[in-house]
Amino acid sequence: AQKVTQAQTEISVVEKEDVTLDCVYETRDTTYYLFWYKQPPSGELVFLIRRNSFDEQNEISGRYSWNFQKSTSSFNFTITASQVVDSAVYFCATHETSGSRLTFGEGTQLTVNP
Amino acid sequence: DAGVIQSPRHEVTEMGQEVTLRCKPISGHNSLFWYRQTMMRGLELLIYFNNNVPIDDSGMPEDRFSAKMPNASFSTLKIQPSEPRDSAVYFCASSSPRRLAGGEKETQYFGPGTRLLVL
Repeated sequence: AQKVTQAQTEISVVEKEDVTLDCVYETRDTTYYLFWYKQPPSGELVFLIRRNSFDEQNEISGRYSWNFQKSTSSFNFTITASQVVDSAVYFCATHETSGSRLTFGEGTQLTVNP
Repeated sequence: DAGVIQSPRHEVTEMGQEVTLRCKPISGHNSLFWYRQTMMRGLELLIYFNNNVPIDDSGMPEDRFSAKMPNASFSTLKIQPSEPRDSAVYFCASSSPRRLAGGEKETQYFGPGTRLLVL
């Protein structure tokens, strides 16, 4: 069975600070996908990134970056120079094979204060 | 391109009434998922379809819940009779095993959700 742990329930930072959201996953499969979703106060779930288990290369997209470490089963998410609009709940998730269920972590509530 | 469309966006009903939630997946996507989000249980998968066929309904809470996908562009989630503990946000998501215009393969894109309140 898969499991995703987001140990940080809430994080509060001041604008322009960097912040890292942790994600640790468990899976018995060798092939799996990892995801991050953002849920702003409006409630929708916004896809941020998908990573294949065979691709450990870190990724940067603007102020967002992701660090995939297979050795520690972690897929951490860093926001650089945070902004108030980054305030949201962020979910890490995984699924094993094509078309299968997403297993979500419990989410991390990020609050960025002006 | 239109994303996943869900209706209604909000539903308030009384205990015992039938509730039908609707979903139109992204065109070209062949997998469709129904999730429920509550404070207590977080995001949990209820059921998913692949090519209109239910693949895994182990998350459906009980017989009061049923889901159908009569064609590739439409799905319903029905609760009959509804109970107050069914109050939640219900999300529909769809995905494709292929990279389609503007999207990533093997990635579930979510609709805006239906906020259900059962009184």
